[in-house]
Amino acid sequence: ELKVEQNPLFLSMQEGKNYTIYCNYSTTSDRLYWYRQDPGKSLESLFVLLSNGAVKQEGRLMASLDTKARLSTLHITAAVHDLSATYFCAASTSTSYGKLTFGQGTILTVHP
Amino acid sequence: SAVISQKPSRDICQRGTSLTIQCQVDSQVTMMFWYRQQPGQSLTLIATANQGSEATYESGFVIDKFPISRPNLTFSTLTVSNMSPEDSSIYLCSGENNYGYTFGSGTRLTVV
Repeated sequence: ELKVEQNPLFLSMQEGKNYTIYCNYSTTSDRLYWYRQDPGKSLESLFVLLSNGAVKQEGRLMASLDTKARLSTLHITAAVHDLSATYFCAASTSTSYGKLTFGQGTILTVHP
Repeated sequence: SAVISQKPSRDICQRGTSLTIQCQVDSQVTMMFWYRQQPGQSLTLIATANQGSEATYESGFVIDKFPISRPNLTFSTLTVSNMSPEDSSIYLCSGENNYGYTFGSGTRLTVV
C-alpha cells in the first residue's frame, strides 16, 4: 500500500528566507504531484514530476524528484506572503489506476 | 486543461437527509475520482467512477452510504446518504487531464 508522508507539517517562515518541504513515499511511484490549497479553496496543480531527477521551477517554487530515495522536495526561494497556503504532495503508481495518495499537507505561513 | 464545475459549493443539511453533489467537466475524462477532506486534514479517496460501470470504493467507504453515478465522460454525481455530523467535510471531485489531475472547487458540507 502506497503511503506518502510530508514534513514539516507546519512551517512558519520570514519573508525573504528559503526553505524546503519534503515528501517521502513508501513504494515505487510513477508520478509525483504537488498541489497548493488556499483556505476554503480547491487544489491548484503546481508540478507533475514524471522521472528520476526531474526538476521543475515556477517562480519562487522548485520541485524535484529522486525515485531511488523515494523523495520529492518543494524548495521555496525568498518567500513572500502570497506563498502562504497548504501544500500537498501526492503520488500515484502504475497499478493504482490513477488514484492519488496524498501526504498530510504542509501549512506554510510567511511572515513579513 | 480540463475545468471541473462542482456544485453546490456549500450546504448545511439536517442529519438523516441526503445530499447529491454534481461535477461537470468541460472535456471528456476517462476516470473521475471523489475525495473527502475532513477539517484540517488531507484528502482521502472515496471512490473511482468510470463510465458505464459501478464505482470502485476504497476501504471504509460503501456504495449504500456514497452512491455514485457516472452516466457519461463529462459528468458524475456523489450522494452522501443518511447524513450524520461525522459526514461534515469538504468533498471534491477530480478528473485526469494532460497535466495531471484537476479538481473541482469543492463542496463544503455541514451536517447539523
